[in-house]
Amino acid sequence: QVQLQESGPGLVKPSQTLSLTCTVSGDSISSADYYWVWIRQRPGRGLEWMGYIDYRGSTYYSPSLKSRLIISRDTSLNRVSLNLSSMTAADTAVYYCAREPELRAANDYWGQGTLVTVSS
Amino acid sequence: ETLMTQSPGTLSVSPGERATLSCRASQSVGVYLAWYQQKAGQAPRLLVYHASTRATDIPARFSGSGSGTEFTLTISSLQSEDFAVYYCQQYLDWPRTFGQGTKVEI
Repeated sequence: QVQLQESGPGLVKPSQTLSLTCTVSGDSISSADYYWVWIRQRPGRGLEWMGYIDYRGSTYYSPSLKSRLIISRDTSLNRVSLNLSSMTAADTAVYYCAREPELRAANDYWGQGTLVTVSS
Repeated sequence: ETLMTQSPGTLSVSPGERATLSCRASQSVGVYLAWYQQKAGQAPRLLVYHASTRATDIPARFSGSGSGTEFTLTISSLQSEDFAVYYCQQYLDWPRTFGQGTKVEI
């Protein structure tokens, strides 16, 4: 059974960098064809796709976040990380990690999400 | 970037009734279209992928159809546990994009 678990600070100050981790169990993040994505949801709003890191370590970021977002991985710990710089109140959201099991596939496994609030 | 538009924003139905949700893409996405269900305080759950294929353990009352730019999710007979927000997502192009959601309420 594949499980994803997000972790990180629940509170971040404006202008700081958010660092979140998604720990994957039940499968290897290096397994062929997997894409590990980050998706966020602002309070009362819809889902916003942020970016991915794939099984080879290649990344792609949404153009709207590209200048502030870095997604990385630690294969020895089987986890994926997100760093989002220059945080503002508009970045307050629940952040989810999810798996896209192959190119052009739906997100079949999701973490439970972690709420991040940006406030001084 | 492909814009996904869902309608209606809110759908009010009674248990046992049929619900029909629509999703439109700003350009063709073929059949690379998924539907997710999200209940309050929970992560989204995959219902349908490739426009019409039900995900594992999803009841047969959920059915998806469409291709290109027009898609529909039908819930044939609403159960109490089906009242939630539903999102469509295209996964043909990067970045992936979601519709704004349809809330199905009693």
